[in-house]
This record gives sequence, structure tokens and C-alpha cells, in this order.
Amino acid sequence: AQKITQTQPGMFVQEKEAVTLDCTYDTSDPSYGLFWYKQPSSGEMIFLIYQGSYDQQNATEGRYSLNFQKARKSANLVISASQLGDSAMYFCAMKGIQGAQKLVFGQGTRLTINP
Amino acid sequence: DTEVTQTPKHLVMGMTNKKSLKCEQHMGHRAMYWYKQKAKKPPELMFVYSYEKLSINESVPSRFSPECPNSSLLNLHLHALQPEDSALYLCASSQDRGRQETQYFGPGTRLLVL
Repeated sequence: AQKITQTQPGMFVQEKEAVTLDCTYDTSDPSYGLFWYKQPSSGEMIFLIYQGSYDQQNATEGRYSLNFQKARKSANLVISASQLGDSAMYFCAMKGIQGAQKLVFGQGTRLTINP
Repeated sequence: DTEVTQTPKHLVMGMTNKKSLKCEQHMGHRAMYWYKQKAKKPPELMFVYSYEKLSINESVPSRFSPECPNSSLLNLHLHALQPEDSALYLCASSQDRGRQETQYFGPGTRLLVL
């Protein structure tokens, strides 16, 4: 079965610092996709970044980058120059062939940016 | 444009009421999803529609009834709900169900069952 593990229930970071949110996954699928979502207190799930298992380079989207280490089965999200508006819940998720290609979420990390 | 809209934003209903949640997307996506999310938990998949046909029902109680009238619309009909059904209900869509396809979520409907 596919599984996502986010070991940091909460993180506190000073504004303008970089932050790394950890995500490890478990799957026997040779091909899968990894996703990060941000959920502010308003509730909307905002897509941030995607990494395919066969992608040679780490994905980047503006201040977001994904540190993908396939052998270690980790897909950490790096946010550079954090801002107050980055305070939110962050979910790592994956989708593969197993489990009827359903999106499997981790438990999330609550990130708080301090001024 | 990656917008999924949901109405209403908030809903309060009694256990004997019938209400409906609505979701709409105009991205030409052919897969649409309903999720239920309790506080401080990740979303839980309820239903998946693919090309307007129900392809996954995650053993959801029959008091929740999904409907996909066309490729842009997804409804969730609610009847005789229980207080434990109070949650954030999220709709999502994706190009199709492929493992590389990103799901885009709507803002959600916060449901309170009294």
C-alpha cells in the first residue's frame, strides 16, 4: 500500500528564513507522482508543486522547490525567503497505480511564520 | 485558469433536511472528486467521477448521494445527515485520473449538522 509520512506536526520559522518541510513516502510503484498542497485557515487546498518519479531534475515553482531523493523515498518541500502569508497547513501527497490511482495524503505540517 | 468553484461556502442544516452542495469547473477536466475533511486531518476521498461516470465510491453512507449532470458540474446531495458529518467538503478536478495529473481544489463548503 502507498503511504506518506510527514513527521513534523508543527514548525515555527522566522520571516525571511528558508524552511524545509519533510515528506517520506512508501510505494512499490515504479511510476508515481508527488504533490504538495498548502491549506490556509480559509480551507482551500492550493496546489504548490509536482514531481514525477522519472523526472531527472528537482521541481521548482517560484519560491517553492522540491528536494526529491528517490533512493531515500523523500520529497521535501523547500520554501525560500518565507513570508507571513506562508503560515498554513502543508500536505504532501502521492498518486501511483496502486490504490486505483487515488491521491494519498500525509497528516500534514502546520507551518507558522513569525515576524 | 485553474479555478474550481463551490457553493455554498457555509451550510447549516438539521438532521431531517435535504440540501445539495455544488461544484463547477470550466477547465475541461474529465475527472471530478468529492472529499470530506475533519479539523486537523487530511482530506478523505468520498467519490470519484471519471468522464461523468461514478468510478469510485469509498463506502460512503447512502445519506450522501453524488451526481454529475455534465462534465463541468458535480453535486453532492445530502439527506438525513448526522452531527458527525459536520466537516469541510472539498471538490476537486483533474484532467483525467492519471498519476501525473494534478488535482485542483475548490474553496470548500463548511457544513454544520445540528
